[in-house]
Amino acid sequence: ETGVTQSPTHLIKTRGQQVTLRCSSQSGHNTVSWYQQALGQGPQFIFQYYREEENGRGNFPPRFSGLQFPNYSSELNVNALELDDSALYLCASSPPGTPSEQYFGPGTRLTVT
Amino acid sequence: AQSVTQLGSHVSVSEGALVLLRCNYSSSVPPYLFWYVQYPNQGLQLLLKYTSAATLVKGINGFEAEFKKSETSFHLTKPSAHMSDAAEYFCAVTRMDSSYKLIFGSGTRLLVRP
Repeated sequence: ETGVTQSPTHLIKTRGQQVTLRCSSQSGHNTVSWYQQALGQGPQFIFQYYREEENGRGNFPPRFSGLQFPNYSSELNVNALELDDSALYLCASSPPGTPSEQYFGPGTRLTVT
Repeated sequence: AQSVTQLGSHVSVSEGALVLLRCNYSSSVPPYLFWYVQYPNQGLQLLLKYTSAATLVKGINGFEAEFKKSETSFHLTKPSAHMSDAAEYFCAVTRMDSSYKLIFGSGTRLLVRP
């Protein structure tokens, strides 16, 4: 059984640019959540997707947006990158009926210069 | 609003000693509680979860945690530390709405001395 995978592993962007991060959920999982983990801190909830629709959002500006596809994979898009967006971005998927049980991928390390 | 407090940003123990990582939560409704472990440059791995069943929860790698409602605590323990337990540990509580978003504590780094 393949776990949650994320791509790319690392990337470096310049302030003002746009970035897309990708996540493939664990087999059979239909809910995907995204978190931002700044250095030395706990993860912060960005949003969650269920059945291709946003199902809850944390305290992040609209320039953070996402998508979920019919195969339950997901994308996180960030526009107008700021230096404070530098962080580890974690994707987590949940099996049907248990959205509280979240299994995390290895993350994407984004550095904004 | 729900929140989690992890006491001690760093905990150091000797190999073979008891591990105790503290977590206190604040919640207006019965919570679901979790412990995750994060090794350097990796994602989070679920250690164990409390979802209103037995108050003593056993997880992977010999860890367990006890839900104490009267103390609003969910401390993580392991009887005997191993060098491979050195990592960052996060306690998390769910927000009981439709999204079940996880609210994490700030983490505790466990150091294991030989």
